[in-house]
Amino acid sequence: GENVEQHPSTLSVQEGDSAVIKCTYSDSASNYFPWYKQELGKRPQLIIDIRSNVGEKKDQRIAVTLNKTAKHFSLHITETQPEDSAVYFCAASPRRALTFGSGTRLQVQP
Amino acid sequence: GAGVSQSPSNKVTEKGKDVELRCDPISGHTALYWYRQSLGQGLEFLIYFQGNSAPDKSGLPSDRFSAERTGGSVSTLTIQRTQQEDSAVYLCASSRLTSLRGNEQFFGPGTRLTVL
Repeated sequence: GENVEQHPSTLSVQEGDSAVIKCTYSDSASNYFPWYKQELGKRPQLIIDIRSNVGEKKDQRIAVTLNKTAKHFSLHITETQPEDSAVYFCAASPRRALTFGSGTRLQVQP
Repeated sequence: GAGVSQSPSNKVTEKGKDVELRCDPISGHTALYWYRQSLGQGLEFLIYFQGNSAPDKSGLPSDRFSAERTGGSVSTLTIQRTQQEDSAVYLCASSRLTSLRGNEQFFGPGTRLTVL
């Protein structure tokens, strides 16, 4: 089955800096790669997703890149703000269910 | 519109008892998923429904776990003879049916299960 590795497990940045979270996946059949943000005690919320026919997607301060050859995708957050502090999960989907990474706890220091 | 809802929000039970967790998906969403999130961990897939059928049950950890969906809407996850290692937050998600294999999943608030 699919296996998703996510790094780093924790990330601390200063407000205004950029943050990058990286994931790798194992199943070449995966064609959908969402990123979820989960605040403490809350449900996961989709922040951006990318499909395998696209190499990059941007939405304001957030961007995701996908390298299908390397089976690697990354989340980039620019101009970080304290409200970006949360746990971020990447996921890959070779069928309908999602296989999640283990999460990255991002802390933005004001 | 209303999002995915789950009940109860919290459930404390004694080891060996059975529990039922309920999920109400977004109206019109034909796909429904159950995931489990242990403390400080990622989400672990349990089971996927398309309509009332479950084409993928590969994530159910043991035969103590079962789920059903009726009327293409509400789903119930049942855990029999609960064990302490079953303690986790059980999350339900739903999505529209599309021609693509992957599509946006909307999550419910979860049920926090504690087995004493």
